[in-house]
Amino acid sequence: KAGVTQTPRYLIKTRGQQVTLSCSPISGHRSVSWYQQTPGQGLQFLFEYFSETQRNKGNFPGRFSGRQFSNSRSEMNVSTLELGDSALYLCASSAQGGTGSGELFFGEGSRLTVL
Amino acid sequence: TQLLKQSPQFLSIQEGENLTVYCNSSSVFSSLQWYRQEPGEGPVLLVTVVTGGEVKKLKRLTFQFGDARKDSSLHITAAQPGDTGLYLCAGEGRGDRGSTLGRLYFGRGTQLTVWP
Repeated sequence: KAGVTQTPRYLIKTRGQQVTLSCSPISGHRSVSWYQQTPGQGLQFLFEYFSETQRNKGNFPGRFSGRQFSNSRSEMNVSTLELGDSALYLCASSAQGGTGSGELFFGEGSRLTVL
Repeated sequence: TQLLKQSPQFLSIQEGENLTVYCNSSSVFSSLQWYRQEPGEGPVLLVTVVTGGEVKKLKRLTFQFGDARKDSSLHITAAQPGDTGLYLCAGEGRGDRGSTLGRLYFGRGTQLTVWP
């Protein structure tokens, strides 16, 4: 079956702009998580959505937001971009229905560069 | 705050050598997962360990979960260039000691390079 698809793969923005990233999970998976990966901090959890509801949230400022649609596709938005937002943004889907995380299937990521 | 600490951060070895990567925490986890990430790709799950003291083998890779479920190790025997990648451990929170129930907490990873 098709894997997790993230778009766009690469993008360049300038400070102050906003960006929207998209994630299509594996068919049948209802949980979608978002992570920010940087060389200095590693993988940092942003948030997780399950059946259109945010189930968990990491310690990121309110400029980072997300949502999930009825078909489980998810988007995350970053407003008022800062240089430090440059990172690889990874989306992961899971079939886990309960509180456990289960196995995460990651997409290839969206690499954001903020100039 | 990084709940899981991995060591070493970087490891560069010759083909055929053995190596061990460590993942340590002061928190207890419900389970612990190991992922490998190659350049330009997302992490891929290698194994999940659930029971304290559990040992799982995947060909030349041996994974161990500590008895107290706070730490884990990954041992690779006779490393090959194809083992090169970023190895990440991730623990599932139990809802205590600052962890959220069900959430995965990742270590910063160990970058392994195996030279031919």
